[in-house]
Amino acid sequence: DAMVIQNPRYQVTQFGKPVTLSCSQTLNHNVMYWYQQKSSQAPKLLFHYYDKDFNNEADTPDNFQSRRPNTSFCFLDIRSPGLGDTAMYLCATSREGGRNTEAFFGQGTRLTVV
Amino acid sequence: AQKITQTQPGMFVQEKEAVTLDCTYDTSDPSYGLFWYKQPSSGEMIFLIYQGSYDQQNATEGRYSLNFQKARKSANLVISASQLGDSAMYFCAMREETSYDKVIFGPGTSLSVIP
Repeated sequence: DAMVIQNPRYQVTQFGKPVTLSCSQTLNHNVMYWYQQKSSQAPKLLFHYYDKDFNNEADTPDNFQSRRPNTSFCFLDIRSPGLGDTAMYLCATSREGGRNTEAFFGQGTRLTVV
Repeated sequence: AQKITQTQPGMFVQEKEAVTLDCTYDTSDPSYGLFWYKQPSSGEMIFLIYQGSYDQQNATEGRYSLNFQKARKSANLVISASQLGDSAMYFCAMREETSYDKVIFGPGTSLSVIP
């Protein structure tokens, strides 16, 4: 039944060691999002895709990259994780455009950088 | 500038009582949608309810209702008959027509239901 699936659920990585988080969806939604959520804070949008069109938020560090090879999959690459990148990373999808389409979230990946 | 404000960092409510969680927003776009999400300690964001800027009536979904006051730019969530399982973080979110696909979140309110 899971519609947005994130792997892994928990990830521990070393300072500076590249890490990739994955997200897949069975909803066939055009839009996919990556959010970073630090402890006790709101989710912060890092970037999103409309199909293959990539939209980066102005304040997203260059250390964060993303790939969307097809409609179903999206990846978040952190090239050189720092301690401050420890957070929950949430993937979400929605139908295209418009104001009245909610975002569907995966269960998140809790990333710890040590 | 903060687009969504939730002024209650933490709230307590007695089981079976009703509770209102506040949300105010800022937009110049006449067309927008407002959403409420629940985030339990497990981390998953669960969609609760939606209100469109052109909707004439307040949205309701089971025990959840939205008190939408467009002129005041507020969209407060009302949870009736609180249950212990309602203890979680609650986020107000907005999607503006002119921002295409972006969904942005407020800072959240932590709700604790007391037996």
